[in-house]
Amino acid sequence: QKEVEQNSGPLSVPEGAIASLNCTYSDRGSQSFFWYRQYSGKSPELIMSIYSNGDKEDGRFTAQLNKASQYVSLLIRDSQPSDSATYLCALREGNTPLVFGKGTRLSVIA
Amino acid sequence: SAVISQKPSRDICQRGTSLTIQCQVDSQVTMMFWYRQQPGQSLTLIATANQGSEATYESGFVIDKFPISRPNLTFSTLTVSNMSPEDSSIYLCSVENQKMGETQYFGPGTRLLVL
Repeated sequence: QKEVEQNSGPLSVPEGAIASLNCTYSDRGSQSFFWYRQYSGKSPELIMSIYSNGDKEDGRFTAQLNKASQYVSLLIRDSQPSDSATYLCALREGNTPLVFGKGTRLSVIA
Repeated sequence: SAVISQKPSRDICQRGTSLTIQCQVDSQVTMMFWYRQQPGQSLTLIATANQGSEATYESGFVIDKFPISRPNLTFSTLTVSNMSPEDSSIYLCSVENQKMGETQYFGPGTRLLVL
């Protein structure tokens, strides 16, 4: 049984700060890792994927993966109120369907 | 990426009845999935919809309760049968085009309330 653990939050950060979202997982066979953002009342949208150890940057977002520690994180720089949402960590092994964590609710305070 | 639509977008149903949710994609995709998201919870995979054959169900979900069809590469239905209030949830269609190297993305969802 794959388990994906996230702190449910809410995580509150002031506007302009760095938001750090964390995720741990149990299945060492997991190969691909994703971060989805879900606004209230909307469906999840993919914001980042990461497949190898280290950092991957895309604009204000940086995903970090450490397979030895079974840990993946998402950093959001210069946080904006529009970043307020629930962030879902997801992973998969090969081409299996994604398995999701429960999500972390982020609140960016103006 | 393909555009996904779901019908209905929301519904209120009486217990004991059944509801069929449709998922339509504007281009062919290799994989289609059905997820459930209960209030305050994450996404739980119900099944993988297989084109031309029976769906592959996850533990805790059975065909009698959640029959699924996928007659072609752009369309799938999920039926929630003999509904109870515990079935109140958002049901999400997710697709992936592995031939294009795409990752799963989601339709707008169907909000179901069972009274």
